[in-house]
Amino acid sequence: QVQLQESGPGLVKPSETLSLTCTVSRGSISSYYWSWIRQPPGEGLEWIAYIYYSGRTNYNPSLKSRVTISVDTTKNQVSLKLTSVTAADTAVYYCARIGRSVAGTGYFDYWGQGALVTVSS
Amino acid sequence: QSALTQPASVSGSPGQSITISCTGTSSDVGDYNFVSWYQHHPGKAPKLMIYDVSNRPSGVSNRFSGSKSGNTASLTISGLQAEDEADYYCSSWRSGSTYVFGTGTKVTVL
Repeated sequence: QVQLQESGPGLVKPSETLSLTCTVSRGSISSYYWSWIRQPPGEGLEWIAYIYYSGRTNYNPSLKSRVTISVDTTKNQVSLKLTSVTAADTAVYYCARIGRSVAGTGYFDYWGQGALVTVSS
Repeated sequence: QSALTQPASVSGSPGQSITISCTGTSSDVGDYNFVSWYQHHPGKAPKLMIYDVSNRPSGVSNRFSGSKSGNTASLTISGLQAEDEADYYCSSWRSGSTYVFGTGTKVTVL
């Protein structure tokens, strides 16, 4: 079955840019939407953004000004960039595939293990 | 972007049934049948338990069921087992083509 693995620096300084990559294996990135979701320590899940393999994107309105999601179909990877980070951006960041049903694309069916990113000087 | 509202905690004894509510608005839960539920054990990847309000993915126990009425969706766990102890999150499609998660519910098996 599809496997997702997040990777990137575990420590980012305040005001800098957080960059993460999600590598998809045992499946193709094509024909699906892919998403980033995060969970700050002790808090709930927060949806960040999604991207279609062809490049169509959408963002959480509260993060839109700082987030960029991109896809590289040749490498089977989805990437996330979050600029001007603060301590509030400290979280476990998950990559997830958006599933498809007869009704549509309303759920996340495969998730990575998550990557903890700490924002601190 | 405001989260969907879930109770902070729900508990039950083994064998009992519990229900977790997920309250949204007419811009998300009330207007779309794209409600899903996730089980999250700390340190692990969240697991999809219910999609499209009431559908179970292959491999998920039929002890888990979902429903929706108006702006509120519900997840019921019947025949509660020790392994069901985890955090549970609902999610919904929201107008504007975005997603929103619930605040999360900690399920404790007494």
